[in-house]
Amino acid sequence: DQQVKQNSPSLSVQEGRISILNCDYTNSMFDYFLWYKKYPAEGPTFLISISSIKDKNEDGRFTVFLNKSAKHLSLHIVPSQPGDSAVYFCAASEDFNKFYFGSGTKLNVKP
Amino acid sequence: DGGITQSPKYLFRKEGQNVTLSCEQNLNHDAMYWYRQDPGQGLRLIYYSQIVNDFQKGDIAEGYSVSREKKESFPLTVTSAQKNPTAFYLCASSIYRINSPLHFGNGTRLTVT
Repeated sequence: DQQVKQNSPSLSVQEGRISILNCDYTNSMFDYFLWYKKYPAEGPTFLISISSIKDKNEDGRFTVFLNKSAKHLSLHIVPSQPGDSAVYFCAASEDFNKFYFGSGTKLNVKP
Repeated sequence: DGGITQSPKYLFRKEGQNVTLSCEQNLNHDAMYWYRQDPGQGLRLIYYSQIVNDFQKGDIAEGYSVSREKKESFPLTVTSAQKNPTAFYLCASSIYRINSPLHFGNGTRLTVT
């Protein structure tokens, strides 16, 4: 049973607009959440993370929001750029031990 | 330049043969992990190791084996018992402390025919 879910397999956004990628989880014991970006035939690259004691974390154009009551995580990219086109994975862990990944959302940013 | 090296990038084997995938890191990380990615699916955990000479099964360990004799190295053997071995295999490492992300290698694409 998947503990981390990304229900949108793909998302298309115009350059300069906001991209919002969503992620849901079922395990209330998760205390650390991450987003990764992945290009084909490469390993995922760490983007941004958030601990369960926060509800928002920003790093440049990337902001992660955490809604613990809804068990929901989102990644906002503003403004979106064509180079952001990739597959984005959300992940979660409990006690910085095992990390569980969603199935990914393919983002296409159109010029 | 620190990082995680997986070799080879592409690997082809005949069904029934065991094959070992290499993973080396020079980040001085304590923990190392093996994940498998199949098309349209997320990354699934095969094995992980938090210290040398110790490792734990992940969610899909059947048909795989690992060793952790050195801090820098965590090789994965795909045995003939693994029913669907063709996949993209990713090795990762972390500092193994609170709020530390995984860092990934560039993966090995294994094709078994």
